Amino acid sequence: DARVTQTPRDKVTEMGQEVTMRCQPILGHNTVFWYRQTMMQGLELLAYFRNRAPLDDSGMPKDRFSAEMPDATLATLKIQPSEPRDSAVYFCASGLVLAGGDNEQFFGPGTRLTVL
Amino acid sequence: RKEVEQDPGPFNVPEGATVAFNCTYSNSASQSFFWYRQDCRKEPKLLMSVYSSGNEDGRFTAQLNRASQYISLLIRDSKLSDSATYLCVALPEGGRRALTFGSGTRLQVQP
Repeated sequence: DARVTQTPRDKVTEMGQEVTMRCQPILGHNTVFWYRQTMMQGLELLAYFRNRAPLDDSGMPKDRFSAEMPDATLATLKIQPSEPRDSAVYFCASGLVLAGGDNEQFFGPGTRLTVL
Repeated sequence: RKEVEQDPGPFNVPEGATVAFNCTYSNSASQSFFWYRQDCRKEPKLLMSVYSSGNEDGRFTAQLNRASQYISLLIRDSKLSDSATYLCVALPEGGRRALTFGSGTRLQVQP
């Protein structure tokens, strides 16, 4: 049963600290997404990759957030320095997007981040 | 204005009731639509795609009205296990294959 995995599942940190979240997409999927979910804003797209290349990171605060895919099995989202307003659930999702096709996105369980 | 708007609810209904959710989208070029379900403290999961001709999956029926730019989800004979947040989702036209989510409508089915 293939699924997206994310680590850590929960993270509590202090303001100013660096936070790194990791995601392992489903093997064979060519697109990886990072979302952030809060009560106020709902699900927001932060960044996404196709075949490991960043396609869109316009939803991400550039000064403190960075997203990378060092290889096809790992995507990372880093916040440095973290701030209390970054507290949210961060979801990674992966999908297989083919030309002309619409494909399901599979979400990981999320990382619940609390910045004190 | 958000690209996809939904009534946040909550919708509190008794078991066996029929409940309908509506959602509007602002980008007329959106090409595909979906309903996702999200349980409390869990990740969103695809419930069903929404086709122009309407589609049904068991107790669930999805409809798309492109002229009015709204999408609906009908749940018949609701079960306690249907209690969740239902997210309306649009896929913009073009190469940007990233879903745009509504904020969700919370459903609570009561015994």
